[in-house]
Amino acid sequence: EPEVTQTPSHQVTQMGQEVILRCVPISNHLYFYWYRQILGQKVEFLVSFYNNEISEKSEIFDDQFSVERPDGSNFTLKIRSTKLEDSAMYFCASKETGPGETQYFGPGTRLLVL
Amino acid sequence: GNSVTQMEGPVTLSEEAFLTINCTYTATGYPSLFWYVQYPGEGLQLLLKATKADDKGSNKGFEATYRKETTSFHLEKGSVQVSDSAVYFCALQAAGNKLTFGGGTRVLVKP
Repeated sequence: EPEVTQTPSHQVTQMGQEVILRCVPISNHLYFYWYRQILGQKVEFLVSFYNNEISEKSEIFDDQFSVERPDGSNFTLKIRSTKLEDSAMYFCASKETGPGETQYFGPGTRLLVL
Repeated sequence: GNSVTQMEGPVTLSEEAFLTINCTYTATGYPSLFWYVQYPGEGLQLLLKATKADDKGSNKGFEATYRKETTSFHLEKGSVQVSDSAVYFCALQAAGNKLTFGGGTRVLVKP
């Protein structure tokens, strides 16, 4: 069964460093998402991406964040200058079509900023 | 804006007990509703969904009915197993396509 994959599974970085989190969505999916979950808190929406552009972003997704689909398979989240409060589990998700369709989640990348 | 409220946990049960997790929502329009489950150390997996009022989603013995009149989507299972121990998230998807999650409910099933 097709699945969303994410790399790395864990990343430790120093405050102020740039990190890139990578995702490979399910191949025929058209909508892509990033969410994050700070330890013990709810899952929060960051950004959605469709047709090679951001379709919606939350107030969390400030200028330090960017997303890219550099080729036909990868979907990346970049944090330019990490802060302590960026420590969280980051989930990528994808779905095939529009409203009502299921979003399929990857296993997540646990980011720890020291 | 849209929001989801679900009962706080943890919920501790014995095996074969009845489980119910309450979920209510606030949304404009007619959202789709989902339950996701997160097992220890893993990501989010879809458990079930319903896309319109009065629809019932079901999977692995779990059920939830989309109740528009009470804006609810309560999750139930008649007889839980130890393997059902996990965190359960209620979520809605409105016109903007993003998912809005509740806070999650941790369920612990003891043998």
